[in-house]
Amino acid sequence: QLQLQESGPGLVKPSETLSLTCIVSTGSISSSSYYWDWIRQPPGKGLEWIASIHYTGGTFYNPSLKSRVTISVDTSKNQFSLKLNSVTDADTAVYFCAREWGMRGWFDPWGQGTLVTVSS
Amino acid sequence: DIVMTQSPDSLAVSLGERATINCKSSQSVLDNSNNKNYLAWYQQKPGQPPKMLIYWASTRESGVPDRFSGSGSGTDFTLTISSLQAEDVAIYFCQQYSSSPQTFGQGTKLEIK
Repeated sequence: QLQLQESGPGLVKPSETLSLTCIVSTGSISSSSYYWDWIRQPPGKGLEWIASIHYTGGTFYNPSLKSRVTISVDTSKNQFSLKLNSVTDADTAVYFCAREWGMRGWFDPWGQGTLVTVSS
Repeated sequence: DIVMTQSPDSLAVSLGERATINCKSSQSVLDNSNNKNYLAWYQQKPGQPPKMLIYWASTRESGVPDRFSGSGSGTDFTLTISSLQAEDVAIYFCQQYSSSPQTFGQGTKLEIK
């Protein structure tokens, strides 16, 4: 069964760049049927979709974050990545990666999530 | 953006009883060209990622117990658990994928009475 695993620093200083990677295993990222997404959840709060990418490089971004976000894919490593710059404490959240079924679809499966805290 | 509003925010139901969670979208998520409602339901237990339960508003994901069902169309949707089990204690989210950005409801916390 397809598995996703997030990795990256758990602590980022304000104004710096948050960088996360999602490694996809037991399956290929190079499938035309899926997009690969980042979603976040501030502690005790709801879910916010951040961005998605197709293995061919096509991307979609949440307009609320678009100016600060870059999503990229590395098919040779079967992984995709997120960069969020100029972070503030409002960016403190659990960041999940997930597979999206189609260009606009549901998310399944999800990675376990990684908590990123923005603090000096 | 399409705003998803769930009700209630929290719910306590006795074991074996029915639990009903509602989700309302600010715009229709029904695509008239294929008659599909672009809505999914998720279950999230503490310390875990969300688990997808239902897509296309009423299609149960493989392996999800049949006590979970989804219904509704257009802007009003319902997740029903027909007979609550202890392992169903969780937060439930709806999500629309009709238009970008995909958006989620605020969540409904389900507990045992």
